[in-house]
Amino acid sequence: EPEVTQTPSHQVTQMGQEVILRCVPISNHLYFYWYRQILGQKVEFLVSFYNNEISEKSEIFDDQFSVERPDGSNFTLKIRSTKLEDSAMYFCASDPRGQETQYFGPGTRLLVL
Amino acid sequence: SQQGEEDPQALSIQEGENATMNCSYKTSINNLQWYRQNSGRGLVHLILIRSNEREKHSGRLRVTLDTSKKSSSLLITASRAADTASYFCATVGSSNTGKLIFGQGTTLQVKP
Repeated sequence: EPEVTQTPSHQVTQMGQEVILRCVPISNHLYFYWYRQILGQKVEFLVSFYNNEISEKSEIFDDQFSVERPDGSNFTLKIRSTKLEDSAMYFCASDPRGQETQYFGPGTRLLVL
Repeated sequence: SQQGEEDPQALSIQEGENATMNCSYKTSINNLQWYRQNSGRGLVHLILIRSNEREKHSGRLRVTLDTSKKSSSLLITASRAADTASYFCATVGSSNTGKLIFGQGTTLQVKP
């Protein structure tokens, strides 16, 4: 069964460094999302992406964040200058048609020191 | 915020018993979905119920939706120790971006 994959599974970085989190959505899906979950808290929406552009972003998704679909398969989340409070689990998800079941990847656990 | 509360926050039952979790939300929705998360792991989709549906079943899962009360419930029948996990409801609003707004979740422990 197709699944969403994410790399790396864990990332440790120093405050102020740039990180790129990678995702490979399910191949025939058209809608892509990033969410994050701070330890012990609920899952929070960051951004949705459709037709090669951002369709919606949350207040969390400030100028330090960007997303890209550089080729037909990868979907990346870049944090330009990480802060301590960016430490969280980051989930990628994809959806075949929008407003349908979202399929989540296993997540990348980011720790900013 | 589109999402309200889930209750209970934590639930502990014996294997074989039924578990009921409730979710409330604040704004109009396109659909409501339930997800499961094992500790520190990814989210697994369980079931989706659309705003024009009132009840849906999938195996041992039964979901209800009351749009007049803006609430949903997830019932797991004949629970097993392997059902131990956190359960989240998430709503998709009327905008066409499909973003999910999650609740705080219910932590379910099923004792063998």
